[in-house]
Amino acid sequence: QKEVEQDPGPLSVPEGAIVSLNCTYSNSAFQYFMWYRQYSRKGPELLMYTYSSGNKEDGRFTAQVDKSSKYISLFIRDSQPSDSATYLCAMSGHTGFQKLVFGTGTRLLVSP
Amino acid sequence: EAGVTQFPSHSVIEKGQTVTLRCDPISGHDNLYWYRRVMGKEIKFLLHFVKESKQDESGMPNNRFLAERTGGTYSTLKVQPAELEDSGVYFCASSRRSFFDGNYGYTFGSGTRLTVV
Repeated sequence: QKEVEQDPGPLSVPEGAIVSLNCTYSNSAFQYFMWYRQYSRKGPELLMYTYSSGNKEDGRFTAQVDKSSKYISLFIRDSQPSDSATYLCAMSGHTGFQKLVFGTGTRLLVSP
Repeated sequence: EAGVTQFPSHSVIEKGQTVTLRCDPISGHDNLYWYRRVMGKEIKFLLHFVKESKQDESGMPNNRFLAERTGGTYSTLKVQPAELEDSGVYFCASSRRSFFDGNYGYTFGSGTRLTVV
């Protein structure tokens, strides 16, 4: 069983829609939860990170962590065609070093 | 500041050959990481350098892979001899700190796409 599960998609939505991306995980030691965005032929780019449980908002993006359910979400409001990319969740334990465990990524397509 | 630079961007080699991938981290970043994504799978950790020392190499798949970071600057990842299952995208990342300090500074390069035929 993978430590982090993520639906690969693709997820197709019209411009302006609210997008919900999710990951589940099995390792209760994870404390840091991150969302990366990856465009084709590029490296992952950090969007947001959250420590432990709770919500975090940054512009059109909101990250949620529910440690009791081992479930994390990323919401994108007013989605734009430029948001079309692969979104990767990543997690790390509360150790001194930043070894990340990734989900497979969800491909998002926002049509004009 | 310049980003993390990886080259080559793409390499096609025959099974049994040797390939060396190079990563130049952001200047001043002591921490350097190698990750790999095999087709259809998730990005997986390979190893972590702090300066020139290997802090964690638990993700290295086997002894055909050799990573070095002489002088604590750029790093190389050598695959010798290459096998078909080594095909994938190899990412390098760097960060200033090796712990979370609220200013998460973990920057990825664009990756090297390795194809073994």
